[in-house]
Amino acid sequence: QQPVQSPQAVILREGEDAVINCSSSKALYSVHWYRQKHGEAPVFLMILLKGGEQKGHEKISASFNEKKQQSSLYLTASQLSYSGTYFCGTVPNNAGNMLTFGGGTRLMVKP
Amino acid sequence: EPEVTQTPSHQVTQMGQEVILRCVPISNHLYFYWYRQILGQKVEFLVSFYNNEISEKSEIFDDQFSVERPDGSNFTLKIRSTKLEDSAMYFCASSTGSVHTDTQYFGPGTRLTVL
Repeated sequence: QQPVQSPQAVILREGEDAVINCSSSKALYSVHWYRQKHGEAPVFLMILLKGGEQKGHEKISASFNEKKQQSSLYLTASQLSYSGTYFCGTVPNNAGNMLTFGGGTRLMVKP
Repeated sequence: EPEVTQTPSHQVTQMGQEVILRCVPISNHLYFYWYRQILGQKVEFLVSFYNNEISEKSEIFDDQFSVERPDGSNFTLKIRSTKLEDSAMYFCASSTGSVHTDTQYFGPGTRLTVL
C-alpha cells in the first residue's frame, strides 16, 4: 500500500516556507524523499531511518516520527529552484528490497 | 560524478512488438532497479535485482517483463509483447546497498511510446 502525501499541491512565493507530509499505514524501516522536475529523473534529497539516522543534503531538513509512521519534509526560505514534484518513498519493516512511492506533492515557487 | 545512463532516450514501437531498454548502473553499485512512471503520475516500482537474480517484483512486473544483467555493466528490461498501456517513462536506478538504508540514483529515463 502506497504512502499518502499531503498537500497534493502548494504554491509559494520566494522566501516562504513549506512542509510536505508523508504517512504510512505500516511500520516503517525508512523513508526516502526525492524531487522531480518536469521531464527529468527523480533526484535524491534525503533518507530517514528508524532509530534516527539521516542521510541527505545539508540544506534539506526532514523528520520521521516512527510511532506515527509519518515523515515531514521542511522547505525553508524557498527558492525558484525548489519547484518540482516531491515524492516520498517508504520501506516497511517487513518488506523486501522495494521502495513504494507516494502520489507526489507539486510545489511551485513564484518570484 | 558517476551517473546512471539509459538508452535509448525515446523508443517508439508498435503494439505487440518486443522492446529492450538498456541501463548502465554506477560501476560499484550492487543493487539495480526498474521503475515506471506514466505521464503525470507517480513513480511505480517494477523490480529489484541483486546478485544476478530478482529480489523483489511488483504486480506490474508480470510474465511480459524480464530483466537481465548480461555482462558486468549493462542491466536490461525486456517487454516481450508491448501493450498500449506500457507507454510510460521507464527509469533505471542503482544503489550500493538495499533500499532499507541506501540512496538510489536514477538514470534519465527512457520514454516508451506504444502505438
